[in-house]
Amino acid sequence: DTAVSQTPKYLVTQMGNDKSIKCEQNLGHDTMYWYKQDSKKFLKIMFSYNNKELIINETVPNRFSPKSPDKAHLNLHINSLELGDSAVYFCASSSRGDQYFGPGTRLTVT
Amino acid sequence: DQQVKQNSPSLSVQEGRISILNCDYTNSMFDYFLWYKKYPAEGPTFLISISSIKDKNEDGRFTVFLNKSAKHLSLHIVPSQPGDSAVYFCAARGSSGDKLTFGTGTRLAVRP
Repeated sequence: DTAVSQTPKYLVTQMGNDKSIKCEQNLGHDTMYWYKQDSKKFLKIMFSYNNKELIINETVPNRFSPKSPDKAHLNLHINSLELGDSAVYFCASSSRGDQYFGPGTRLTVT
Repeated sequence: DQQVKQNSPSLSVQEGRISILNCDYTNSMFDYFLWYKKYPAEGPTFLISISSIKDKNEDGRFTVFLNKSAKHLSLHIVPSQPGDSAVYFCAARGSSGDKLTFGTGTRLAVRP
């Protein structure tokens, strides 16, 4: 009964490829997020969706496109992957306050 | 421009003693603060939070103190246990939205 789940947990791919990461939450929360944790372990928000609508977009390259088919899911699609995209990506959800995180997806671009 | 800072990258404490993790922020618009705990290869786990209208919030062994005038908050863990060994992130949020701004984390090691 995982609250926030992500797939895959690990993703290794080559530069130039397109890949997607999926996120699902069963907490009934209205808001979902994508965060990136870089090599310096700094956690930074990328996107936020509230009831399937984009509310935060933190100047992320447009190669990154979030998609929210319903309020329980927020997927992240990345086009033309670059070496600098290697990081751990965390999905999170919240309802009026505290955010709950998924286990993370470690993306390695070679 | 790091608005939330955790100046101690690591802290080592003896089991049973108090652990004090510190966090400073610069943005006076922040009005809600959270602490997260993170184990390797897992996502951050919410621990405790505090609103800016309070100066203290307690939950079991965990207490968060907020000093608004100093723009400083701290997390106290007492007594510390080996299972508390993890990276602790401080985060802050403004009243205008849900966006959380995180510090860079403090790695706590509790020695048996």
